[in-house]
Amino acid sequence: AQKITQTQPGMFVQEKEAVTLDCTYDTSDQSYGLFWYKQPSSGEMIFLIYQGSYDEQNATEGRYSLNFQKARKSANLVISASQLGDSAMYFCAIKSYNQGGKLIFGQGTELSVKP
Amino acid sequence: NAGVTQTPKFQVLKTGQSMTLQCAQDMNHEYMSWYRQDPGMGLRLIHYSVGAGITDQGEVPNGYNVSRSTTEDFPLRLLSAAPSQTSVYFCASSDTVGEQYFGPGTRLTVT
Repeated sequence: AQKITQTQPGMFVQEKEAVTLDCTYDTSDQSYGLFWYKQPSSGEMIFLIYQGSYDEQNATEGRYSLNFQKARKSANLVISASQLGDSAMYFCAIKSYNQGGKLIFGQGTELSVKP
Repeated sequence: NAGVTQTPKFQVLKTGQSMTLQCAQDMNHEYMSWYRQDPGMGLRLIHYSVGAGITDQGEVPNGYNVSRSTTEDFPLRLLSAAPSQTSVYFCASSDTVGEQYFGPGTRLTVT
C-alpha cells in the first residue's frame, strides 16, 4: 500500500521568502511518481510539479522545486520568493505505475503568506 | 477542449435518496477516478477505473457505485445517501504516467 505523510498542518512564511513543505512517502513499488497540487480557497486542484522515481535531477517549475531524496523517501516542495497568492492548501501525492495510475494524497499543508 | 467536467456543482439530498454525479473527460484518458474531500482533509480515493469496463475500489468505497461504459464517462452513484457522505466530490482523469486533471468538484450536502 502507498502512503503519503505531510506533518505540517499549517505553515506561515513572509512574503518574498522561501518556504519548504514536507512530504514523506511509503511505497513498495520501484516505479512511481510524486506530485504536488495547490488548492486555493476557491477549491480547484492545480497541478504544480512532478518527480518520477527514476529521475536523477530534482524537478523545477518556475518558483517551485522538488527536493527529492529517494533513500529517505521524501519529496519536499520548495517555493521560492513567496507571493500572497501562494496562500493555499498544498497536497503531496504518489502514483504507482504498477497500479494503473492510482493517485494517493496526503492530508495537506495550509500555507499562509504574510505581507 | 473542456478537460474534465462534473455535474451538478451543488446538490442537496435527503437521507435515503439516491443520485448520480456525472463526470466526463475529452482527453482520451484511460484512467479516471473519484475522490471525496471532507473539511480540512486531503482527498480520499473512492473508486477508480483503468479503462472502459474496468473499475476498482479505492480507500473509501462503501456507499458508492461506479461503472465505466465508455472512455469518456465515469459516473458515481450514491444508492442511499447518508449524512456521512456530505462532502466535496472531485472527478479526475489522467494517462498512466502523467498528472491528474481534476474537475471543478461537486459540493454535496445530505440532510
